[in-house]
Amino acid sequence: DTAVSQTPKYLVTQMGNDKSIKCEQNLGHDTMYWYKQDSKKFLKIMFSYNNKELIINETVPNRFSPKSPDKAHLNLHINSLELGDSAVYFCASSQVAGQLNTEAFFGQGTRLTVV
Amino acid sequence: GNSVTQMEGPVTLSEEAFLTINCTYTATGYPSLFWYVQYPGEGLQLLLKATKADDKGSNKGFEATYRKETTSFHLEKGSVQVSDSAVYFCALGDQAGTALIFGKGTTLSVSS
Repeated sequence: DTAVSQTPKYLVTQMGNDKSIKCEQNLGHDTMYWYKQDSKKFLKIMFSYNNKELIINETVPNRFSPKSPDKAHLNLHINSLELGDSAVYFCASSQVAGQLNTEAFFGQGTRLTVV
Repeated sequence: GNSVTQMEGPVTLSEEAFLTINCTYTATGYPSLFWYVQYPGEGLQLLLKATKADDKGSNKGFEATYRKETTSFHLEKGSVQVSDSAVYFCALGDQAGTALIFGKGTTLSVSS
């Protein structure tokens, strides 16, 4: 049973479209994250939610909007997609934000290609 | 702010060679330190961690020691295998614990 699952795994879409990536975790964790990995493998935190509440919102265009319907789900909606949005997006979860040694569990990633 | 610096890759080794990937950090307080590994086409997996100074994390033959005096957490393995080929990320858990901060990753390629 997959701990953190994302769908879809691959997403190819045209510029200007709106798309969503879904994430679910079955670990009972309170905190979920979205990271973006660029072509050079650099990982950058985008958002962090703790118990459905936003606790980190890094410098991300407001075309990106996370939605957390419950603490097991954190979806990422992207409006008006641009070429520069092409990347791999990783969802992750951890037990409790604020605990120093909390490790994060990652999904398999969604490779988004904007053409 | 908090940050992690890793050695630039790629690192190319022959099987059974000794591996070191350097990692240093900048942080206020006493962060936790992690090494994650990303195999091709997969997500990140925790490889090992250390939560306080002088702790040694170890797993699958890999080791790293939390050195507060040099603010380092270098990854080592005595004898690498082809199956170790992957991207390795050093990461820091900040005092607030809100999110892990990652280094830029080091690609390791091991040939037989």
